[in-house]
Amino acid sequence: GAGVSQSPRYKVAKRGQDVALRCDPISGHVSLFWYQQALGQGPEFLTYFQNEAQLDKSGLPSDRFFAERPEGSVSTLKIQRTQQEDSAVYLCASSPRPPGQGLTTDTQYFGPGTRLTVL
Amino acid sequence: QKEVEQDPGPLSVPEGAIVSLNCTYSNSAFQYFMWYRQYSRKGPELLMYTYSSGNKEDGRFTAQVDKSSKYISLFIRDSQPSDSATYLCAMQTLYSSASKIIFGSGTRLSIRP
Repeated sequence: GAGVSQSPRYKVAKRGQDVALRCDPISGHVSLFWYQQALGQGPEFLTYFQNEAQLDKSGLPSDRFFAERPEGSVSTLKIQRTQQEDSAVYLCASSPRPPGQGLTTDTQYFGPGTRLTVL
Repeated sequence: QKEVEQDPGPLSVPEGAIVSLNCTYSNSAFQYFMWYRQYSRKGPELLMYTYSSGNKEDGRFTAQVDKSSKYISLFIRDSQPSDSATYLCAMQTLYSSASKIIFGSGTRLSIRP
């Protein structure tokens, strides 16, 4: 079946431009996560959605970053007035259930990421 | 100090060698330990996970957790060129609706034919 897809795969923006990154999770997955992966680093958590509700946005680095999942499926990560330090790969992941449900946790399935370069 | 520390490598070994990848952590609340593999220009994929101290084996891969030392390892036996990738350790607390995965920085591994 189809996995998590992200678009665009590559995005080049001039400093100060706004960008929008799209994530299509696996159909029916309740949980959706956004991560930022800088070059040579592991992914860092940005925000988490349970269906359409954004339950955790503690990882968003500034108020220039905004995420939404209005119908509980597709999600968009928007970055306003991009800066050079925003250059990174932005990964989306989805899982069937919310995390922390009892003794088990679901696998998070990652998309291929969007590589953002801000010039 | 980061919650999860991982040797960045790069690590280069000949085909057939045993590979040992390691991470240390500082947060004793972590209960769920994972290893992800990430090929170039791809997203991470879950390789192994475990909840408890001890060893867990899956084919050529063995995950080891020592909670008393806050130390986890991944061993790869009979390494193959197709194992060349970046390996990320990752940890998570449970019992929290806001539980998030904390990743190490990744170790780049290259297997020489």
